[in-house]
Amino acid sequence: NAGVTQTPKFQVLKTGQSMTLQCAQDMNHNSMYWYRQDPGMGLRLIYYSASEGTTDKGEVPNGYNVSRLNKREFSLRLESAAPSQTSVYFCASSEAMTGNEKLFFGSGTQLSVL
Amino acid sequence: GEDVEQSLFLSVREGDSSVINCTYTDSSSTYLYWYKQEPGAGLQLLTYIFSNMDMKQDQRLTVLLNKKDKHLSLRIADTQTGDSAIYFCAERGGYQKVTFGTGTKLQVIP
Repeated sequence: NAGVTQTPKFQVLKTGQSMTLQCAQDMNHNSMYWYRQDPGMGLRLIYYSASEGTTDKGEVPNGYNVSRLNKREFSLRLESAAPSQTSVYFCASSEAMTGNEKLFFGSGTQLSVL
Repeated sequence: GEDVEQSLFLSVREGDSSVINCTYTDSSSTYLYWYKQEPGAGLQLLTYIFSNMDMKQDQRLTVLLNKKDKHLSLRIADTQTGDSAIYFCAERGGYQKVTFGTGTKLQVIP
């Protein structure tokens, strides 16, 4: 049982380049999320998808776009990478955004923007 | 907006108890969580408590909630070297959002 799978694990970009982070879950969860983790700042929500076909901005959406491709997959796109987007990115999923919202996390993508 | 605060670092000796503290500001929190992050890995849910409870025990883990003071703690009994990790407090607020603290790095000294 894979749970939440993220690719790639590591990526180095030059300023201005674009890339897409992929995420897939096999738990039949309705809700999916993208977080970024920076030292001393905990996890901050970038975008989320409460259910298939919907996406909403989180706390720090600027510079990012997302696509909920189907129930399993939720991708995060950086159109023009900036050094401020150097971070560790985590995808997560939950059964639903109601009640006890237990999150299941992927293993993360370490992104460096030079 | 909602804010969740934790101390950044805690060091304990193997076999002692560890207590990790957390304060939050959202008075409409419904569930509060503790997640564990080992090096190079994602966060893993350890335990959670519903906001109308004061305490929850799960094997070596005890969660205490003081709703009046908006204070949450995680006690790990008989701390082992395998417990070394970063521990995140999180709360589910009133508007479908889970807010995470900054994380407390627990170092267990053999």
